[in-house]
Amino acid sequence: GNSVTQMEGPVTLSEEAFLTINCTYTATGYPSLFWYVQYPGEGLQLLLKATKADDKGSNKGFEATYRKETTSFHLEKGSVQVSDSAVYFCALLKDSSYKLIFGSGTRLLVRP
Amino acid sequence: GAVVSQHPSWVICKSGTSVKIECRSLDFQATTMFWYRQFPKQSLMLMATSNEGSKATYEQGVEKDKFLINHASLTLSTLTVTSAHPEDSSFYICSATSQGYSETQYFGPGTRLLVL
Repeated sequence: GNSVTQMEGPVTLSEEAFLTINCTYTATGYPSLFWYVQYPGEGLQLLLKATKADDKGSNKGFEATYRKETTSFHLEKGSVQVSDSAVYFCALLKDSSYKLIFGSGTRLLVRP
Repeated sequence: GAVVSQHPSWVICKSGTSVKIECRSLDFQATTMFWYRQFPKQSLMLMATSNEGSKATYEQGVEKDKFLINHASLTLSTLTVTSAHPEDSSFYICSATSQGYSETQYFGPGTRLLVL
């Protein structure tokens, strides 16, 4: 079946450190891939997305590249800020489907 | 653009009462809305999908008589938790899409329900 696997958190970094949150997926066909961010007490916000292989989604300094050969969509940021502390969800949307399938989420804590 | 609101943002109720949560798309017409439930420190679980003017489609294991969903217009969907019990306490999040399937879902800020 379709699934998304994320690295377990929490991930704790110092400000300005490099961030990688791993995400791999299992799906047939060509799903769209997403990263959502959830700040404390809030709903999810779309951070970035990619709809086909080799696409790179980017937003607010975050990037993720759709790698079909490794079925991955790892989230990266070159220099994190305290305000990036949140829970990050990787998700996929299968072709001709309406159901977003979420990973378990990775909590990021950035210390000053 | 693509703003989704929820009301109320939090609610406390007594066991046995019913609670209605509203989800609105503020600047677009939402042909499809989704309702999720999120337990503490866990991922989102899709409860049901609603299309404007038709009955909601519930996921396996979700009681349709307990979680009533109405999508009466292209900008409003409601979730009513009937005869709420403490185990229904959770964070409920809605999302909406403007062009049906395979479009980006925009999420509301969530509603925290506490049943005493």
